[in-house]
Amino acid sequence: AQSVSQHNHHVILSEAASLELGCNYSYGGTVNLFWYVQYPGQHLQLLLKYFSGDPLVKGIKGFEAEFIKSKFSFNLRKPSVQWSDTAEYFCAVNALGTTDSWGKLQFGAGTQVVVTP
Amino acid sequence: GAVVSQHPSRVICKSGTSVKIECRSLDFQATTMFWYRQFPKQSLMLMATSNEGSKATYEQGVEKDKFLINHASLTLSTLTVTSAHPEDSSFYICSASRLAGGLDTQYFGPGTRLTVL
Repeated sequence: AQSVSQHNHHVILSEAASLELGCNYSYGGTVNLFWYVQYPGQHLQLLLKYFSGDPLVKGIKGFEAEFIKSKFSFNLRKPSVQWSDTAEYFCAVNALGTTDSWGKLQFGAGTQVVVTP
Repeated sequence: GAVVSQHPSRVICKSGTSVKIECRSLDFQATTMFWYRQFPKQSLMLMATSNEGSKATYEQGVEKDKFLINHASLTLSTLTVTSAHPEDSSFYICSASRLAGGLDTQYFGPGTRLTVL
């Protein structure tokens, strides 16, 4: 079965610091990749996605992610965080090519990010 | 665009009763809708996938007679928790996708907090 790993469960950093959240998946075939964010008290929102093409994708609010196929990774980055980036971040993978997983999102466990003023 | 709503946002019920949760895509037609369950401090677990006009497909371990899913229109799916018990208490989240099979981006609702006494 496919799995999605997020390396950090909890990250605390100061405003203006750089952020990088790791995401690895186990499926060897074609994938669609997503990062979702859940702000306190709000629902999951799409930050960015990768379906094909340029492996460096830019999302909303200054976030970007890089798909490295050889490493089965899709790490999320932001060069300078703000207090408003405090949220939980979820990596999700849609493993294509198998009827069992077609269209289904496999989520990582999430990373709670706290940005201090 | 791509707004998904859920109703109710919170529900408290007695053990043995049934609870219906609605999921609506407000500004797009959702060919496929998904139902997830999220336990505290954990990631989202897919419960079932429903395509409009078809029977839902349930994930392994999810009782289809207990969690009844109806997707009668392109903008509405319902999840009915039948004969609810305290162990069914959880946060239920739906998502909607424009394309069949969910290959497009999934847009998430705000979730429904179910508490069974």
